[in-house]
Amino acid sequence: NAGVTQTPKFQVLKTGQSMTLQCAQDMNHNSMYWYRQDPGMGLRLIYYSASEGTTDKGEVPNGYNVSRLNKREFSLRLESAAPSQTSVYFCASSVSSDYEQYFGPGTRLTVT
Amino acid sequence: AQSVAQPEDQVNVAEGNPLTVKCTYSVSGNPYLFWYVQYPNRGLQFLLKYITGDNLVKGSYGFEAEFNKSQTSFHLKKPSALVSDSALYFCAVREYTGGFKTIFGAGTRLFVKA
Repeated sequence: NAGVTQTPKFQVLKTGQSMTLQCAQDMNHNSMYWYRQDPGMGLRLIYYSASEGTTDKGEVPNGYNVSRLNKREFSLRLESAAPSQTSVYFCASSVSSDYEQYFGPGTRLTVT
Repeated sequence: AQSVAQPEDQVNVAEGNPLTVKCTYSVSGNPYLFWYVQYPNRGLQFLLKYITGDNLVKGSYGFEAEFNKSQTSFHLKKPSALVSDSALYFCAVREYTGGFKTIFGAGTRLFVKA
């Protein structure tokens, strides 16, 4: 039981490049989330998927897109990376919004 | 208005002493409240939650939290701190804004000195 896995662990991009962050969970959770963590700002919700087949914007969705590929997988895409997107990205999942979230180990992204 | 606030950036405590990490919230209706802990270079780990029932909630690693509706607070406590408790602690609240979302506080760094 791996919980929530994320790939890659580290990534360096040049401004304007694109990439997809992958997330998968094996806990049969309905809800999945993408957050970014910046110093002094806590975690900010980028997008979430309350259930398979649905996605909704969070607090900071600009510059990102998501795909809930199936119940297990939820990917985050940066179409044209900007230095302001340098951050640590966390994927999380939960049974539903009423329940606690389980987090992946994070992806540290640097955009130069 | 901020949905959840952690008024202290950092809390310092000596090993063996009790610790408190403060959290206040501002949501309408009955709040769902959570505490998470983050160790260096790791994702957040769930500690405990309050949904309904007893105002004193017990969680992992000897932590507990007290829900106080009149003061809109949900402070995290532990009777005797360990050096290994040193970490970043996040309070979170579930709120409804067109859909249920969990909003995290900015975090409080706890240092426990031996």
